[in-house]
Amino acid sequence: KAGVTQTPRYLIKTRGQQVTLSCSPISGHRSVSWYQQTPGQGLQFLFEYFSETQRNKGNFPGRFSGRQFSNSRSEMNVSTLELGDSALYLCASRPGTGSEKLFFGSGTQLSVL
Amino acid sequence: QQQVKQSPQSLIVQKGGISIINCAYENTAFDYFPWYQQFPGKGPALLIAIRPDVSEKKEGRFTISFNKSAKQFSLHIMDSQPGDSATYFCAASISSNYQLIWGAGTKLIIKP
Repeated sequence: KAGVTQTPRYLIKTRGQQVTLSCSPISGHRSVSWYQQTPGQGLQFLFEYFSETQRNKGNFPGRFSGRQFSNSRSEMNVSTLELGDSALYLCASRPGTGSEKLFFGSGTQLSVL
Repeated sequence: QQQVKQSPQSLIVQKGGISIINCAYENTAFDYFPWYQQFPGKGPALLIAIRPDVSEKKEGRFTISFNKSAKQFSLHIMDSQPGDSATYFCAASISSNYQLIWGAGTKLIIKP
């Protein structure tokens, strides 16, 4: 089985722009969650989608949004980028109910200049 | 109450030694405690996990020790190897919620 795939691997944007990140979960996995990782801050939970519905949301401003498609693929959007949004954005999938193990992709490294 | 506090921030251990990383939590409703391992350029991967009905779980050289009364759990890596050099994250969740609360991470370096 292919792992979790995130594209693009690297992104450079300027302040004020918007960005869309993509995540393809492991085949058969219905839950996709997104995390922001910055040095010294660990992993901060953004949101989780299950069967196209947002199930949980972390404490991030409304500039951060996401969606999930019927094939379980997910996208995350950040509008009006700020310098502090520079981070590694990780996507993780899991089968859904009854399984807590997360399978992570390698992430998208976003740099905001 | 939702925090998971992880220590130390960084750790250097000689090859063959024991690496110990500690985590503490406040929310007594947490009932799932995993440890994830992350290598540079990769996403975290589940290493080992424990539930509060047992005090210890061992998988190869990796052991989780769990102290429910102290609200603490720790990862022990026996016979540490250079290939164990990575960042380790503890986490906790309530099973019905599935949302993990993460520690800040520990960068482990094993010296040959």
